[in-house]
Amino acid sequence: EVQLVESGGGLVQPGRSLKLSCVASGFTFSNYGMNWIRQAPGKGLEWVAYISSGSSYIYYAETVKGRFTISRDNAKNTLYLQMTSLRSEDTALYYCARGEPPFDYWGQGVMVTVSS
Amino acid sequence: DIQMTQSPPVLSASVGDRVTLSCKASQNINKNLDWYQQKHGEAPKLLIYYTNNLQTGIPSRFSGSGSGTDYTLTISSLQPEDVATYYCYQYNSGWTFGGGTKLELK
Repeated sequence: EVQLVESGGGLVQPGRSLKLSCVASGFTFSNYGMNWIRQAPGKGLEWVAYISSGSSYIYYAETVKGRFTISRDNAKNTLYLQMTSLRSEDTALYYCARGEPPFDYWGQGVMVTVSS
Repeated sequence: DIQMTQSPPVLSASVGDRVTLSCKASQNINKNLDWYQQKHGEAPKLLIYYTNNLQTGIPSRFSGSGSGTDYTLTISSLQPEDVATYYCYQYNSGWTFGGGTKLELK
């Protein structure tokens, strides 16, 4: 069974950093591109970042470019999102999702709240 | 950037109704469009990929169509468990979600 489990969220002050993790199981992680997608409270979905299976291709939404870094460790079946210079508008539920797209499997999400 | 506009924002329908949700792109997206369903408090789920391909395990009452800038998700006979918000997503140029259509029971 494919599983994606996010962790690392929490309450953080504006301007600070936070690193999210997503542990994958039930499939060959190193064969798939992976994504972070977020959803602000009561709002729609926003794609954040993509990393190819071997980390050769990385793309970011303009809203996070230069502040967020996506990475992966295929030996640990883990996807990461390093978030710096956090802003109130980054407050959201962050999902990791498998795919190039389409995004065929999603985690349950981890909440990030940016507030003083 | 390509903008994706979904309509209507909210749709009320009765069980058994044929329901049509619309997604319009600001430019041609060459059928590079997926549909996702998100029930309250849950992660999104892939329904349709590349405009009209039904994801494994999704009921056949769901179907997708479209081309160019105009795309449609159709539910042939609405069921209570279909109450959810539906999002389209384009990946032709950049990667963009539509704003969603919230489907409610009348």
